[in-house]
Amino acid sequence: AQSVTQLGSHVSVSEGALVLLRCNYSSSVPPYLFWYVQYPNQGLQLLLKYTTGATLVKGINGFEAEFKKSETSFHLTKPSAHMSDAAEYFCAVSENFGNEKLTFGTGTRLTIIP
Amino acid sequence: ETGVTQSPTHLIKTRGQQVTLRCSSQSGHNTVSWYQQALGQGPQFIFQYYREEENGRGNFPPRFSGLQFPNYSSELNVNALELDDSALYLCASSLRGGYTEAFFGQGTRLTVV
Repeated sequence: AQSVTQLGSHVSVSEGALVLLRCNYSSSVPPYLFWYVQYPNQGLQLLLKYTTGATLVKGINGFEAEFKKSETSFHLTKPSAHMSDAAEYFCAVSENFGNEKLTFGTGTRLTIIP
Repeated sequence: ETGVTQSPTHLIKTRGQQVTLRCSSQSGHNTVSWYQQALGQGPQFIFQYYREEENGRGNFPPRFSGLQFPNYSSELNVNALELDDSALYLCASSLRGGYTEAFFGQGTRLTVV
């Protein structure tokens, strides 16, 4: 069985500051990992994904995440926060890629302080 | 914006009624998955359809059922609605074996009163 834990249901950072959203997972097989963003009253948009290969993954809007197998983590970072980054962020894990049945974390709401 | 469209965007139903939600998948995709997102929670996998057959199901009771049509569009049906069924229902389409990610629709907000 898979599971995802997102530490911190709410995170606030100042505009221009580092964004760090934490995600830990458990999986019985090598995982496929995803970060999605959700703006109010909208669906989910994929930020980035880890499948195989390079453990540092770059996504859209300046976000990146690093897969650390030894720590079972896939934390999301962005060097400099922008007001438009305010949203809900979800980490997800899957045993398959291209046929995902995604298991999501409970989400982290990111607030940007002007 | 993705090519996954869901209808309706919002609806209100009374406890005990039945509801049908619809999803049109992205062109070229053959798999549709449905998720329930309760307020303040992450999406939870309901079930997935591939080639018009259910291909995996999450921890949801049988009153949640679905269909996939030859054009790969899909329906989610919920019978005997309960107050706890109030949620955002998300549809995601993907290409099985295509090694591309799933794309989500905007969701249907269901309120049960």
